[in-house]
Amino acid sequence: QAVLTQPSSLSASPGASASLTCTLRSGINVGTYNIYWYQQKPGSPPQFLLRYKSDSDKQQGSGVPSRFSGSKDASANAGILLISGLQSEDEADYYCMIWHSSAWVFGGGTKLTVL
Amino acid sequence: QVQLVQSGAEVKKPGASVKVSCKASGYTFTSYDINWVRQATGQGLEWMGWMNPNTGDTGYAQKFQGRVTMTRTTSISTAYMELRSLRSEDTAVYYCARNLPSTGTFDNWGQGSLVTVSS
Repeated sequence: QAVLTQPSSLSASPGASASLTCTLRSGINVGTYNIYWYQQKPGSPPQFLLRYKSDSDKQQGSGVPSRFSGSKDASANAGILLISGLQSEDEADYYCMIWHSSAWVFGGGTKLTVL
Repeated sequence: QVQLVQSGAEVKKPGASVKVSCKASGYTFTSYDINWVRQATGQGLEWMGWMNPNTGDTGYAQKFQGRVTMTRTTSISTAYMELRSLRSEDTAVYYCARNLPSTGTFDNWGQGSLVTVSS
């Protein structure tokens, strides 16, 4: 079982909100981890969006709009990237990442389509 | 402004080695770690390892242990990633990215270097 699992795709309408999940493998407690989120558009390197550990311990990437936010769902053992007020430019691949067992681990990524 | 400029595309035969460079500018090279991340076409991101340019300390993903070496030349603010015993599955875009030590905030990335392994 992968350390981080993301749905492969998600579709949402312009102006709506999208909730992208990053589920941690059983036995790895989401509460103890910083969850990092990256956005990647075709032909470009990833860009750092935000880090989320708790409401009191989080970091927004430089220039990243506040409509991108992070949270956690402890019951699902998952990190969440919430994008509100979706715009066409938000169409991209989104990756979560954690530091686990002395290594940075990426989730498989979610392709977000805005249509 | 901060820039990480990588070397160009390479074509290698199976069994060969490749060395990709990443030249940093716009910041103090020794103050940030350099990580290497690769991405096969249409696939996700895969972290390969990190290097502290100040000390030369490194840490490699288990998958690449014994096959990868990360080094640097501080006088020219350049990091290198060498991957040996190449196989077709190593065909990918290789990125360097900087982060403050012990954080996952990869705030600047190189443009990527395509390595193609083909006989």
